[in-house]
Amino acid sequence: GQQLNQSPQSMFIQEGEDVSMNCTSSSIFNTWLWYKQDPGEGPVLLIALYKAGELTSNGRLTAQFGITRKDSFLNISASIPSDVGIYFCAGLSNTGNQFYFGTGTSLTVIP
Amino acid sequence: DTEVTQTPKHLVMGMTNKKSLKCEQHMGHRAMYWYKQKAKKPPELMFVYSYEKLSINESVPSRFSPECPNSSLLNLHLHALQPEDSALYLCASSQEWRFYEQYFGPGTRLTVT
Repeated sequence: GQQLNQSPQSMFIQEGEDVSMNCTSSSIFNTWLWYKQDPGEGPVLLIALYKAGELTSNGRLTAQFGITRKDSFLNISASIPSDVGIYFCAGLSNTGNQFYFGTGTSLTVIP
Repeated sequence: DTEVTQTPKHLVMGMTNKKSLKCEQHMGHRAMYWYKQKAKKPPELMFVYSYEKLSINESVPSRFSPECPNSSLLNLHLHALQPEDSALYLCASSQEWRFYEQYFGPGTRLTVT
């Protein structure tokens, strides 16, 4: 299947720091999504992006749909301990029936 | 109610057993999905049901048999599994077949011995 590569693979940061992660693909996607998954739980949708260049915020989270439509970025400002988890990007093709998760970024916040 | 429930939470089965995973939602959603997630890996799509009809089967081996008896319920029947099938099995649902509107359940942790 399609490979969506996320970087970094893992992050260890101090509480209060800002976080940046990205997701790249060799293919174009029409929709980019960002999810957070806590241990023992399913992924929860954080932000959805539908248009190239779009910048969308959800509280302390901001995500951008790359101009090339082959990448997306997620920023978390002023991290807190409950931000700990695995963050997945996901891409949806223009046909709407091809959907792939990225490789994930594991975030650890040190109090 | 925006909840997708999955039972059981944990399941241990032998390679000769037959078992079933159950997923339920009461949000009136007409699309339901099964994913498989190995440890430290992203979820991988297995099946999509739309209006109780199988719409996508991502070349999943026949030892996994999905069933959608009604719009609220999705089952995954398991038979003659292999140890490498051990994983977290996630169910999701959405109003219509739109991946970007999925709600995920907490998953069933399956161990095949």
